[in-house]
Amino acid sequence: EVQLMQSGAEVKKPGESLKISCQGSGYKFTSYWIGWVRQMPGKGLEWMGIIYPSDSDTRYNPSFQGQVTISADKSTSTAYLQWSSLKASDTAIYYCARNVVAGGDYWGQGTLVTVSS
Amino acid sequence: EIVMTQSPATLSVSPGERATLSCRASQTVNINLAWFQQKPGQAPRLLISGASTRATGIPARFSGSGSGTEFTLTISSLQSEDFAVYFCQQYNNWPYTFGQGTKLEIK
Repeated sequence: EVQLMQSGAEVKKPGESLKISCQGSGYKFTSYWIGWVRQMPGKGLEWMGIIYPSDSDTRYNPSFQGQVTISADKSTSTAYLQWSSLKASDTAIYYCARNVVAGGDYWGQGTLVTVSS
Repeated sequence: EIVMTQSPATLSVSPGERATLSCRASQTVNINLAWFQQKPGQAPRLLISGASTRATGIPARFSGSGSGTEFTLTISSLQSEDFAVYFCQQYNNWPYTFGQGTKLEIK
């Protein structure tokens, strides 16, 4: 069974750093693009970036370029999304999804990130 | 960036009736169009990819059509569990983009 398991909810202060994770199981992790999607409170969905774990080829949405870093560790079948300095406007639910170049067939359960002083 | 526009924003339909949701792209996306269902507190669930191919486990009452810039999701006979928000998404050009969503509510 294909599963994407995301790390738990986080509460951070502005300016702090954060790295959240998405671990894939039940399939060959290196064979599918994985992407990250932001959903701000009560809002729609936005692709932030995607990564191909086999060679770490990464593409960022220009709206998020320079704001976040996406990476992957083949040895643990885990993709990551990280911030070096969080802002209040980063408060959102973040989802990872598999096979994004074909629409995104399996999704993680989401990670709620709250940034508040 | 390709802009995806969904209509209507809210659709009120009675159980057992048909629902038709629309999605328009600002430029052609060929058939690289997916539909998702999202319920409160849940992750989006893929319903349709390739504009018309149902994802694994999706009931036959869900169907998708269209190509180029105009797409439709039809739910033939609404069940109680179908009332949710529906998003279309293009994956023809990066960055991939979603529509703003259609809320399907019980009439």
